[in-house]
Amino acid sequence: DGGITQSPKYLFRKEGQNVTLSCEQNLNHDAMYWYRQDPGQGLRLIYYSQIVNDFQKGDIAEGYSVSREKKESFPLTVTSAQKNPTAFYLCASSNRGQNGYTFGSGTRLTVV
Amino acid sequence: AQSVTQLDSQVPVFEEAPVELRCNYSSSVSVYLFWYVQYPNQGLQLLLKYLSGSTLVKGINGFEAEFNKSQTSFHLRKPSVHISDTAEYFCAVREKGSNYKLTFGKGTLLTVNP
Repeated sequence: DGGITQSPKYLFRKEGQNVTLSCEQNLNHDAMYWYRQDPGQGLRLIYYSQIVNDFQKGDIAEGYSVSREKKESFPLTVTSAQKNPTAFYLCASSNRGQNGYTFGSGTRLTVV
Repeated sequence: AQSVTQLDSQVPVFEEAPVELRCNYSSSVSVYLFWYVQYPNQGLQLLLKYLSGSTLVKGINGFEAEFNKSQTSFHLRKPSVHISDTAEYFCAVREKGSNYKLTFGKGTLLTVNP
């Protein structure tokens, strides 16, 4: 079955360390997205990519970086410049047409 | 640019009661509309979508939504809720002919009490 996989589900890191969250899809979707979710704040867009080797900043890109070297993969790096990285991170993908997004199951990052 | 407003951040109801979760949108062009559900510590799952045609859309788990163009609304309803419907619900809009991006509301937490 096609889907979108985020790994790991839980991630713990020490303050000051960079960490990379994985997102892989086998839906042949062109576009991929990263969202951050904090209690009571809904979904906030970090970065998105509509084609390979191209991506755009979302609303809260500071302290994050991404790459899109393959259509299937869109990893997110949370850098030490991100002031408050502890959050639930969601990856999604979509294609042109009338469908919405397909979401992964999320990664909960805790920085201590 | 489009925007989405979910009018209630939290909705508590008793089991077997009806529920309505409200969503209003703003856009200068025609739109597609979506409702997603998120259970704790999970991703979002599509409940239903309005693309065109009949304004009453039926989705999974007994939910339905009605598109009202004049009021720019897309409210979600269920005639009788279960404990298992406790979750956060997100309304989203996408402009027709635009790129891929959805705009999400801030979510409504539905809590079903016994």
